[in-house]
Amino acid sequence: AQSVTQLGSHVSVSEGALVLLRCNYSSSVPPYLFWYVQYPNQGLQLLLKYTTGATLVKGINGFEAEFKKSETSFHLTKPSAHMSDAAEYFCAVRGNSGYALNFGKGTSLLVTP
Amino acid sequence: ETGVTQTPRHLVMGMTNKKSLKCEQHLGHNAMYWYKQSAKKPLELMFVYSLEERVENNSVPSRFSPECPNSSHLFLHLHTLQPEDSALYLCASSQAQGYTDTQYFGPGTRLTVL
Repeated sequence: AQSVTQLGSHVSVSEGALVLLRCNYSSSVPPYLFWYVQYPNQGLQLLLKYTTGATLVKGINGFEAEFKKSETSFHLTKPSAHMSDAAEYFCAVRGNSGYALNFGKGTSLLVTP
Repeated sequence: ETGVTQTPRHLVMGMTNKKSLKCEQHLGHNAMYWYKQSAKKPLELMFVYSLEERVENNSVPSRFSPECPNSSHLFLHLHTLQPEDSALYLCASSQAQGYTDTQYFGPGTRLTVL
């Protein structure tokens, strides 16, 4: 079965610093991977997704993620954090059925001045 | 209205009440989903409807009853809930096209069961 593990339930960075949120996946088939962001009192918004092709995926708000098959990873990065990036971030992998998304437990990003 | 909307945004109910959550998508999608988001747990898929037919039911207790009258609307009927059912219930929709379609989420309904 497909699953993801997000390392670190809380990450704190200074404004302007690099953001790195870690996600490792487990999949018996080529994975389709997603990163979502959830701001307080809101639903989830897609940041980016990897299906096939280029392994470096660029998303919205300056975020990008690199699919590394050898490391079974799909880490999310942003070169310079903004205060507005403070939110909960979820990594997800497509499930066996073709409909379900299997989510990680999420990483809460705190950005300090 | 744009995207995926959910009503009500907040709901408090007793264990003997009957209530319904409503979801509407304005994206022309053909698949709709209910997820449960509890504190400190991953999002759990509850139900999936594709072309108005239920295609997944992930061992959800019968006190949760979904309904999809058309491709734009999805309901979750609630009755005799338990306090552990308190959570954020998220609706999503997608244009089902294999494994790569994107699910778009609504803002959720925060449910508290007393």
